[in-house]
Amino acid sequence: EPEVTQTPSHQVTQMGQEVILRCVPISNHLYFYWYRQILGQKVEFLVSFYNNEISEKSEIFDDQFSVERPDGSNFTLKIRSTKLEDSAMYFCASSAGQGGIYEQYFGPGTRLTVT
Amino acid sequence: KNQVEQSPQSLIILEGKNCTLQCNYTVSPFSNLRWYKQDTGRGPVSLTIMTFSENTKSNGRYTATLDADTKQSSLHITASQLSDSASYICVVPDGGSYKLIFGSGTRLLVRP
Repeated sequence: EPEVTQTPSHQVTQMGQEVILRCVPISNHLYFYWYRQILGQKVEFLVSFYNNEISEKSEIFDDQFSVERPDGSNFTLKIRSTKLEDSAMYFCASSAGQGGIYEQYFGPGTRLTVT
Repeated sequence: KNQVEQSPQSLIILEGKNCTLQCNYTVSPFSNLRWYKQDTGRGPVSLTIMTFSENTKSNGRYTATLDADTKQSSLHITASQLSDSASYICVVPDGGSYKLIFGSGTRLLVRP
């Protein structure tokens, strides 16, 4: 069964460094998403991406964050100048369409630890 | 503000027993409601998606109900198994957008 994959599974970085989290969505999906989950808290939407453009973003997704689909398979989240509060699980998801009947399939997540 | 609230926060049941988890939402306009299962340290996995016209939907031992008038949903788990131990999260798209709003989840522990 097709699945969303993410690398690395765990990333440790120092405050102020840049990190790139990578995702390979399900191959025939057109919509891509990033979410984060701070330990013990709710999953929070960061951004959605379609047709090589951001289609929606939350207030969390400020200038520190960027997303890119550098080739036909990868979808990346870049965090510039990481802060301690960026420590969280970051989940990538993809869907074939948007709206009620379309499921979002989540990857296993990347645990980011900023020290 | 559009919100999704769940209860109970946590629940412990014995293997083989049934349980029901609750979700209340204050999202408008409403299009659909989803239940996800999240194992510790893993990504959420979809259990059901219900549109406003559906009252009940089953997926194996999981049965979700939806009352769009009272803005309530429930997830009933029948004949629980140890592998059901996980967080169960109620999720609703935010009003007219596709952004998903997640509840805090109910952490279920099934004991032998």
